[in-house]
This record gives sequence, C-alpha cells and structure tokens, in this order.
Amino acid sequence: EAGVAQSPRYKIIEKRQSVAFWCNPISGHATLYWYQQILGQGPKLLIQFQNNGVVDDSQLPKDRFSAERLKGVDSTLKIQPAKLEDSAVYLCASSLVGGRAFFGQGTRLTVV
Amino acid sequence: SQQGEEDPQALSIQEGENATMNCSYKTSINNLQWYRQNSGRGLVHLILIRSNEREKHSGRLRVTLDTSKKSSSLLITASRAADTASYFCATDSYNQGGKLIFGQGTELSVKP
Repeated sequence: EAGVAQSPRYKIIEKRQSVAFWCNPISGHATLYWYQQILGQGPKLLIQFQNNGVVDDSQLPKDRFSAERLKGVDSTLKIQPAKLEDSAVYLCASSLVGGRAFFGQGTRLTVV
Repeated sequence: SQQGEEDPQALSIQEGENATMNCSYKTSINNLQWYRQNSGRGLVHLILIRSNEREKHSGRLRVTLDTSKKSSSLLITASRAADTASYFCATDSYNQGGKLIFGQGTELSVKP
C-alpha cells in the first residue's frame, strides 16, 4: 500500500517568511497527526485530526501556525511568520482510529 | 505535554548483547507503541501493545506492559550494529482525547 506522502522534503526560508507543508495520508485513515521534532528530542504533537475535525491542538502556536484537513483527506500545515526556533523536522502521520501510526519522511525546515 | 518518559536516555552496548529500554507514563492508556528512528529519517513502527495485553513479541523484539506501574519495556535480543537508532514510546490515552504522545527517546548505540 502507498505510504504517507509529505512535501517538500526540505525547505529553507528567512525568518518572518511564510511556509506551507502538505501531507497525503494513507487512504482510509481517519486520524492524521502533525508533529514537530527538534533535533535530539521526541516528536511533539502539534495537531491531531479525526476525519476533518480537530481532536487536539493544544500544543499548536496558534498565533503563527495553522492547519487544515479539507474533506478529511489531505492536510496542510502553515507557519506565518516563521521564527528561528521553528527550525525542525515536521512529521505527518496517519492511522486508523486507535491503530498504529504510519509516518511520512518529514519536511526538514531551516529558518535563517 | 509529556506522557511517556524513556529510560535510559542513552545506551551503548556490544553487538550480540541484549538492550533493554523502559518507558513510564502518567495516565491510563488505550495502547502503547514503540518506534525506531534512524538518524535523519522517519519513524518506523515496531510494536503496538494494548492495555489488556502484558507481553508481545516480534522477531528479536519483546515488549512488556505493566499497567499497574504505568510502565513498559522494550527488549532487543542479540543486538546488531543495524539496531543503532533512537527508540521512542508513544501512548494513546482515552482521557487525553486519544492523542498520540511521544517520549524523548532512548538513543541506542550498538558497537560491532
């Protein structure tokens, strides 16, 4: 089966610019996750969707980050404006409800 | 919010030895999952153990779960250099809205 697709793989932007990441989950997976992973740390959950509803976004910095999941399938995560501390790998994952999560390869963001 | 905490943070062993990593968590869970991450790569799912299970095996991997102590362990037997990676536990908790929360990980180094 096709895995979780993410794009782009790498992105370099200047601080205060905006950036968007895209995720296409595994077909049929109702749950979609976005994580931020800073080097040397575990993944931090930013937002979790079930279909197109939000399960949790308590760790999402809503003044600059936004995410949507249209029609309960693809999702985009946006940062506007970016800060230096946003440099990290952004991971998307999907799962059946209560099942194992499948991860994409991630987008490595560097903010300079 | 941090749910799972791995111990030790780093572990260095010789090829052929066994490696044991522990994970402790705070709230009741639906399931606990273990993942591996090679440097700069995506997360690979290893094992999912449900709250009503006590032990699961997959090849050289053995996972135990003690819900009374809110802890889990991952044992890798007869380790190989290719097992060198970071290992994370992740918990899915009903009373946290089904969020999948990761710990900070154990960095395992297997020397040939």
